[in-house]
Parts: sequence; C-alpha cells; structure tokens
Amino acid sequence: DTAVSQTPKYLVTQMGNDKSIKCEQNLGHDTMYWYKQDSKKFLKIMFSYNNKELIINETVPNRFSPKSPDKAHLNLHINSLELGDSAVYFCASSQDGRTYGYTFGSGTRLTVV
Amino acid sequence: SQKIEQNSEALNIQEGKTATLTCNYTNYSPAYLQWYRQDPGRGPVFLLLIRENEKEKRKERLKVTFDTTLKQSLFHITASQPADSATYLCALDRDLNQAGTALIFGKGTTLSVSS
Repeated sequence: DTAVSQTPKYLVTQMGNDKSIKCEQNLGHDTMYWYKQDSKKFLKIMFSYNNKELIINETVPNRFSPKSPDKAHLNLHINSLELGDSAVYFCASSQDGRTYGYTFGSGTRLTVV
Repeated sequence: SQKIEQNSEALNIQEGKTATLTCNYTNYSPAYLQWYRQDPGRGPVFLLLIRENEKEKRKERLKVTFDTTLKQSLFHITASQPADSATYLCALDRDLNQAGTALIFGKGTTLSVSS
C-alpha cells in the first residue's frame, strides 16, 4: 500500500494550459503539503493544509491553487502554465512532523513546453 | 534570511568507510533537525530526527549530531555500502505562522559509495 500517492507521475503540457496534480494519503495524517523541487534539486514549501484548512501559503503565484476536498486528499491546480513552472512537485503528509517526520510521495515531474 | 547549507554537493567514498555529511544553518534557532534520503526519481524518505536538547541520535548504522552553538549537524553512515548511494537532505522544522510548520531543506549532498 502506497502511503502518499501522486498522479500523474509525469506531465508534459504547453504554455498557457491549466493542469492539476492529485495527491492522496492513507496514513490518517492531519496535515498535507506541496513542495516544489527545481532543476537545482532545491526543495521548497509551497502550501500546507491542516484538516482541509490552508495554513501555509509561501509566496506562490496566484496561478497555483491547492484544494483539499477531505483530510486525505490535497490537489494542486495550476492555471496558465509558464516555462518556469517546470519542476518536480512533491506531496507530503505528517501527523506530528516534529516527532515522526514527514512522508513524501514519489513526485510529479511537470514539463512545460 | 534563514539559510541551510550542506557543504558538499557530492561525496565519494569507498565501501566500508564512514561517510560524514555536514549541515550548517544561519539566522535560525531550530528546535528540531531532520535528515532525509532521496533516490533519483523518488521522494525524500525520513531517516532521523534530533531535537535541540539532544547531542546525538543513532539508528543502526546512522548517527546524527546536533550542535546548536556551532549551528551544525553532522550525519554519519558507518560501514558504508553501495546501497547507501543517494542524496541526503538536511531539513529544519520552521514555524511559518502560528498555526503551521513546515520543513525547510538544504540542497543536499549526493553520496556515492564505490565497491
């Protein structure tokens, strides 16, 4: 059983398109996150949701909108895709990250052409 | 601004030796520090967590130290094996607002263990 699963694993799309990435966790965790890993492999927090409520939104363009339909799901919708959005996007979850760490998905590689 | 630096981008060692990776941070006083392993095409995997009041933590062949005076953590893999080859990420748990925390990562050190 995959703990944190993301779909799709790869996404190639043209500039200007709108796309979504889905994330689901079966760990019963209260908090879910989206991270972006750029071409230099630097991982940066984008959003955090706690029990369906947005609690962190780190200087991310308005074109990115997270949606959490329930505690187990956190989707990322991106409007008007730009070349600079090309990156690997990771979903993660935690129950008590300061005690047990965080669990990451395998990532979605987004390529904007 | 807060900064996390992992001094070496790459570290090459021979099988059986001890690998030592360094993580330094500035402008920050974290209560917790975590280490993750990331393999190509995969997400980071949690390895160890150490609190500010702990000097050292061990798990099997892994050892982490945390020196809040030096603002440094060392990550050791003893009796290294080729299967330990991966990128190792240092991460600090940071309060981004009163309700939330998140991990802030260093860029990672890619370890290659040759047989």
